Amino acid sequence: GENVEQHPSTLSVQEGDSAVIKCTYSDSASNYFPWYKQELGKRPQLIIDIRSNVGEKKDQRIAVTLNKTAKHFSLHITETQPEDSAVYFCAASSNTNAGKSTFGDGTTLTVKP
Amino acid sequence: EADIYQTPRYLVIGTGKKITLECSQTMGHDKMYWYQQDPGMELHLIHYSYGVNSTEKGDLSSESTVSRIRTEHFPLTLESARPSHTSQYLCASSGLRGGEQYFGPGTRLTVT
Repeated sequence: GENVEQHPSTLSVQEGDSAVIKCTYSDSASNYFPWYKQELGKRPQLIIDIRSNVGEKKDQRIAVTLNKTAKHFSLHITETQPEDSAVYFCAASSNTNAGKSTFGDGTTLTVKP
Repeated sequence: EADIYQTPRYLVIGTGKKITLECSQTMGHDKMYWYQQDPGMELHLIHYSYGVNSTEKGDLSSESTVSRIRTEHFPLTLESARPSHTSQYLCASSGLRGGEQYFGPGTRLTVT
């Protein structure tokens, strides 16, 4: 089955700096890669996603890049703000799994004011 | 407004009790999932369903069972609760194409 590894497990940055979280996956059939943000005491929510037919996607201060050959994808957050502090999860899924996602173990991001 | 609902939000019960955690969605989604998550930690898939009368075990061994008699309803039952079941349980759903999962607010379970 699919295996997703996520690094780092914790990340601390100064406000205004950039943050990068990386994930690798094992199943070459995976074609959908979402990122979820979970604030303290809240439910995970999708912040950005990418499908395997594109290499990069941006939404304001966040972006995701995908390298299908190397089987890795990354989340980039620029101009970080204290409200970006949360746990971030990457995931991978394929049409063959009909929507069942395999999640990374999460990255706790702390943005220091 | 379309959403996913979980009840109860918090539950404290004694060892050996039978409990059912409720999950309902008004998203019109076919696929539903149950995850176990300790605060801020990884999400462990314990059960999922592709549609009515379809249920599968997830990656994490669990002593719970699920049923899917109606599209919008996916309850999880623990026949005999133990302290090791203390955790947060998150329900989620996704659409026909798969992809994005929408999560419920969670049930925080404590077994004493």
